[in-house]
Amino acid sequence: EVQLVESGGGLVQPGGSLRLSCAAAGFSLSDYEMNWVRQAPGKGLEWVSYMSSTGDTIYYANSVKGRFTISRDIPKNSLYLEMKSLRAEDTGVYFCARLLYNWNSGLDYWGQGTLVTVSS
Amino acid sequence: SYVLTQPPSVSVAPGKTARITCGGYNIGYKRVHWYQQMPGQAPILVVYDDSDRPSGIPERFSGSSSGNTATLTISRVEAGDEADYYCQVWDSGSEHYVFGTGTKVSVL
Repeated sequence: EVQLVESGGGLVQPGGSLRLSCAAAGFSLSDYEMNWVRQAPGKGLEWVSYMSSTGDTIYYANSVKGRFTISRDIPKNSLYLEMKSLRAEDTGVYFCARLLYNWNSGLDYWGQGTLVTVSS
Repeated sequence: SYVLTQPPSVSVAPGKTARITCGGYNIGYKRVHWYQQMPGQAPILVVYDDSDRPSGIPERFSGSSSGNTATLTISRVEAGDEADYYCQVWDSGSEHYVFGTGTKVSVL
């Protein structure tokens, strides 16, 4: 059974850092493209970052470029999002999600999300 | 940057048909995907590649796309369809994934 479980969220001060993890089960990250998507409280979905199945293609939303870094550990089958210089507008639930078959397909599996709150 | 515009809300009576539009420049040339999100839950893919349904999604959910508008149609609407719906595409120009603004479907 495919499962994605995020962790690592919490309360952090503006300017601080946080590392989110997404543990995958039921498939290998080396076979699928992956994304991070976030949702501010009461707002819509916002794409954050993408990593290809080979790991050699990475994209970031303009709002996080230069501050966030996506990475993965294949033996641990885990995806990560390193977040630095956090701002109040980074507050929200962060989801990891798998692309159905390639970079241009829909996101077929999502984790339950982990809440990040940036506040002093 | 590429923008996808959805109506903020759609109201529909049980048993009727709900149509949710997603407007974007030449969206007919892109693959459009649709998600359903219940309060406090992760989104669920209900239509991908304009009109295909993942396994387990009822046939009542269908999609189409042409020109500058994509549409998600929910036939024979049920109370359980009440949720937020988002369209999404890949914009090759910006190398960004883009989500629509979201539509809240209310069942009267």
